[in-house]
Amino acid sequence: GDSVTQMEGPVTLSEEAFLTINCTYTATGYPSLFWYVQYPGEGLQLLLKATKADDKGSNKGFEATYRKETTSFHLEKGSVQVSDSAVYFCALAGGTSYGKLTFGQGTILTVHP
Amino acid sequence: GAVVSQHPSWVICKSGTSVKIECRSLDFQATTMFWYRQFPKQSLMLMATSNEGSKATYEQGVEKDKFLINHASLTLSTLTVTSAHPEDSSFYICSARRQTNTGELFFGEGSRLTVL
Repeated sequence: GDSVTQMEGPVTLSEEAFLTINCTYTATGYPSLFWYVQYPGEGLQLLLKATKADDKGSNKGFEATYRKETTSFHLEKGSVQVSDSAVYFCALAGGTSYGKLTFGQGTILTVHP
Repeated sequence: GAVVSQHPSWVICKSGTSVKIECRSLDFQATTMFWYRQFPKQSLMLMATSNEGSKATYEQGVEKDKFLINHASLTLSTLTVTSAHPEDSSFYICSARRQTNTGELFFGEGSRLTVL
């Protein structure tokens, strides 16, 4: 079945540091890929998405490129802020049921001033 | 933007009682809603797909008699945890897909259930 594997956390960075959170997936066909963010005390919010190979999703300075050859969708940001502290989930939606998401285990990011 | 609201945000109940959690799409109609369960420091696990006007579709291993789902209108789905036990304590999250948009899912804030 479909699965998503994220790098284990927690990740702790200083403000303005470079961020990479690795995500790889296993799926049949050509899934759509997502990054969701969960800020403390809030629900999940879509951060960015990519629906086909080589697509780059971007939002709020975050980027991720859909790499079919390496089955990866790594999240990057060039300069993190304290306000980026949150839990980040990589997810995929495959097959014909677009709404059924398979999530990675989540990565806790803490950014210090 | 679209908003999905869950209620209650947290609930504590005694073992053996039933608890109902509501999921509402506030500014759009949702033909499909999804219920997830999130264990501490773990990922979200899909429990069931709730379709307006029809029976929910449960994922393998989820007890349909334990977790009753009703999607009576295009803006409301409910999850009832029947005869709750301490092992049912968890964070339950719903999401909704806009009726005319097959893309983005919108998530509720989650409901934390603690069964004593």
